[in-house]
Amino acid sequence: SAVISQKPSRDICQRGTSLTIQCQVDSQVTMMFWYRQQPGQSLTLIATANQGSEATYESGFVIDKFPISRPNLTFSTLTVSNMSPEDSSIYLCSVGRGGANYGYTFGSGTRLTVV
Amino acid sequence: QKEVEQDPGPLSVPEGAIVSLNCTYSNSAFQYFMWYRQYSRKGPELLMYTYSSGNKEDGRFTAQVDKSSKYISLFIRDSQPSDSATYLCAMSGGSNYKLTFGKGTLLTVNP
Repeated sequence: SAVISQKPSRDICQRGTSLTIQCQVDSQVTMMFWYRQQPGQSLTLIATANQGSEATYESGFVIDKFPISRPNLTFSTLTVSNMSPEDSSIYLCSVGRGGANYGYTFGSGTRLTVV
Repeated sequence: QKEVEQDPGPLSVPEGAIVSLNCTYSNSAFQYFMWYRQYSRKGPELLMYTYSSGNKEDGRFTAQVDKSSKYISLFIRDSQPSDSATYLCAMSGGSNYKLTFGKGTLLTVNP
């Protein structure tokens, strides 16, 4: 299965600022997914990033708050914009395992604290 | 009613015990069922994958799916301290590639 490198692993940010999270995959993949994992909550899909097209956002998530780039088949970024303490969470990127219904491979996550 | 329900625990067992982890779901379209293990400060890793109903065994781990009851289980035999982690159930259905996760159960296996 694919190996995913995610940066940064953690960060502490001031409210009102933005943070860009990078996700690098060691093989070409069509779809990359960004998830949020809040304490005591289920992993929640933020958006699906397709190379060459706009990302598809899930209900409750908007592009102005979480802009995504997908410049090629091995790389994507997620930006958390104009952060507030409510954005404190773990953010994870993932890719399908040869067909998304066969499960996903996840990066190690970015632990974000907004103060 | 949430689509996937999972008791968050925490669950604490002695080494060698048999562990049973469970999820219920409401969406009858789900056909693919997975269990992920997540160690502290790590991303989830796929542990078991099952399609439709039935059992699947992999070493000390057994996954069961009962679609008629909308109930899935993960059994861990001869549990080890290294099994201490959060276990997440996840499922998807048909052409919908999206995974729906449970909240996860925190398991501690005490030596």
